Amino acid sequence: ETGVTQSPTHLIKTRGQQVTLRCSSQSGHNTVSWYQQALGQGPQFIFQYYREEENGRGNFPPRFSGLQFPNYSSELNVNALELDDSALYLCASSSAKNIQYFGAGTRLSVL
Amino acid sequence: AQSVAQPEDQVNVAEGNPLTVKCTYSVSGNPYLFWYVQYPNRGLQFLLKYITGDNLVKGSYGFEAEFNKSQTSFHLKKPSALVSDSALYFCAVSQAVTGGGNKLTFGTGTQLKVEL
Repeated sequence: ETGVTQSPTHLIKTRGQQVTLRCSSQSGHNTVSWYQQALGQGPQFIFQYYREEENGRGNFPPRFSGLQFPNYSSELNVNALELDDSALYLCASSSAKNIQYFGAGTRLSVL
Repeated sequence: AQSVAQPEDQVNVAEGNPLTVKCTYSVSGNPYLFWYVQYPNRGLQFLLKYITGDNLVKGSYGFEAEFNKSQTSFHLKKPSALVSDSALYFCAVSQAVTGGGNKLTFGTGTQLKVEL
């Protein structure tokens, strides 16, 4: 196992609601990246945080936002949920620009 | 933009036979390439990476990958497949993003099925 933990494992929300997903990075890692994996597709980069600052963002709207805390854990927040937001959300931690190690993911279903 | 392509949605192989999962890349500059594996309802597990150096990269669980610059390929291989290797395999390329970070861009994945 990678040492990257995500919570919750599963989540069901309704359209228009807001959701917060959490990630604890592997010990010694200061960088956290978030990805969205829709069913049958490869993961898509949402954003990356390095030492509490966002240092990269993919093609996702502003209603996707995040935080990184002093202990390098991270949150992904999604406002105004849409049906298409249903996906597996993956968190990965790394040391600077080295190998990204992934957690098991949070399965979000939007009804 | 940098990208990888996995031309096969599924690969079937008999246990004990060699396996190959194909990946081609399109990058500017030197490619940083990765292979990850995903088991059902699990996250991605790192298998191996190519940054520079030897074209044959050895990774976890007996997997290796061959980097071929002239063919822009990075195929994943294993000499003898196991039923437990059955999973979804992703090729990925790392690229810099605005802000100083880096992201992985993944292929669409190849489902490997190893049969007895």
